[in-house]
Amino acid sequence: GIQVEQSPPDLILQEGANSTLRCNFSDSVNNLQWFHQNPWGQLINLFYIPSGTKQNGRLSATTVATERYSLLYISSSQTTDSGVYFCAVHNDYKLSFGAGTTVTVRA
Amino acid sequence: NAGVTQTPKFRVLKTGQSMTLLCAQDMNHEYMYWYRQDPGMGLRLIHYSVGEGTTAKGEVPDGYNVSRLKKQNFLLGLESAAPSQTSVYFCASSLIGDEQYFGPGTRLTVT
Repeated sequence: GIQVEQSPPDLILQEGANSTLRCNFSDSVNNLQWFHQNPWGQLINLFYIPSGTKQNGRLSATTVATERYSLLYISSSQTTDSGVYFCAVHNDYKLSFGAGTTVTVRA
Repeated sequence: NAGVTQTPKFRVLKTGQSMTLLCAQDMNHEYMYWYRQDPGMGLRLIHYSVGEGTTAKGEVPDGYNVSRLKKQNFLLGLESAAPSQTSVYFCASSLIGDEQYFGPGTRLTVT
């Protein structure tokens, strides 16, 4: 199956800082999603992005499908951004998840 | 719209007991999925369905059965629970295999 690798595994930020999370995948995919799992365990859809760049408030994502990677940018981080960020790639209608990046934003 | 809902939210089982987890969606989605999440890991696909009356195996199907008798519901069954099935279970749905939306999860402990 497709391998999905996320980096870094852990990230500690001071409130107001910017950061970049990376997702590499091992094969061609139909599509890609980014999720935020909040401290209560809920999975929140951030982006559905097969290629190109999308922005939603302080978050943006870029997928370069031909080079098999995607980036998630967090700008002006807030404590509510804490949690685990997952990248998941679509293949044959199914999702394969990476292990996630745990982000801790300190006030 | 409630989106994707899961019942129950928490459950504790003894080894060998059986139970059924219920997933319901009100978005008229064709595809539904069951995943499990273990500590420090991403989600892994257990079973999925591409329409009413259909089911298929995912990455980790052993020990689980599913049924999709109605389009809006997807049931996950454990016939004889084992401690290795202690996990958080997530249900998801998508319109036609595109963007997936997740339920709040069910935390299951098998003692």
